[in-house]
Amino acid sequence: KQEVTQIPAALSVPEGENLVLNCSFTDSAIYNLQWFRQDPGKGLTSLLLIQSSQREQTSGRLNASLDKSSGRSTLYIAASQPGDSATYLCAVRDTGNQFYFGTGTSLTVIP
Amino acid sequence: NAGVTQTPKFRILKIGQSMTLQCTQDMNHNYMYWYRQDPGMGLKLIYYSVGAGITDKGEVPNGYNVSRSTTEDFPLRLELAAPSQTSVYFCASSSRDRGFTPAEAFFGQGTRLTVV
Repeated sequence: KQEVTQIPAALSVPEGENLVLNCSFTDSAIYNLQWFRQDPGKGLTSLLLIQSSQREQTSGRLNASLDKSSGRSTLYIAASQPGDSATYLCAVRDTGNQFYFGTGTSLTVIP
Repeated sequence: NAGVTQTPKFRILKIGQSMTLQCTQDMNHNYMYWYRQDPGMGLKLIYYSVGAGITDKGEVPNGYNVSRSTTEDFPLRLELAAPSQTSVYFCASSSRDRGFTPAEAFFGQGTRLTVV
């Protein structure tokens, strides 16, 4: 069974800092990995999707990397802003069409 | 483009009552999913469907039922509600890309259910 772990569980940084969120998974047989953002009391908003054949994806200040063989992904956020404060979730999609989620990293960016 | 729409947004049920959580998507996606999210526990898959008429159990299916009579709709039925079913429920959908590799998942805004 796929296990997804996100470290750290919580992170607090001053505005303007660059930061890295980590996601690890136990089974490398995946179709893709997706990073989501969740604001309190809200749904999940997709940030980046990396297919298993890709190494990274970029969108604005966000960059996600994938090392499938080692079971790791990172989400890099450049020049953090208070509006980036949210919980960030990673999910891997296995070859059985199911998504497995980590428990998330709660990010607070201090003005 | 509405995406994935869930209703209701909030609901309070008494123990033993039943209800249906509605989910509809307008993106013509084959795959649809129901998750529950409990504090500190991440999202757990309840049921999923790879197309109309096809459903399968996820990690935590007990106490729930689903049906998929159309591509658009994927309702989740709770029979005999229990306090352990107090949670936030999310519906999601995704497509296949040209290589038949499943693609990006889109989520609804969630249904917050309390069983008292």
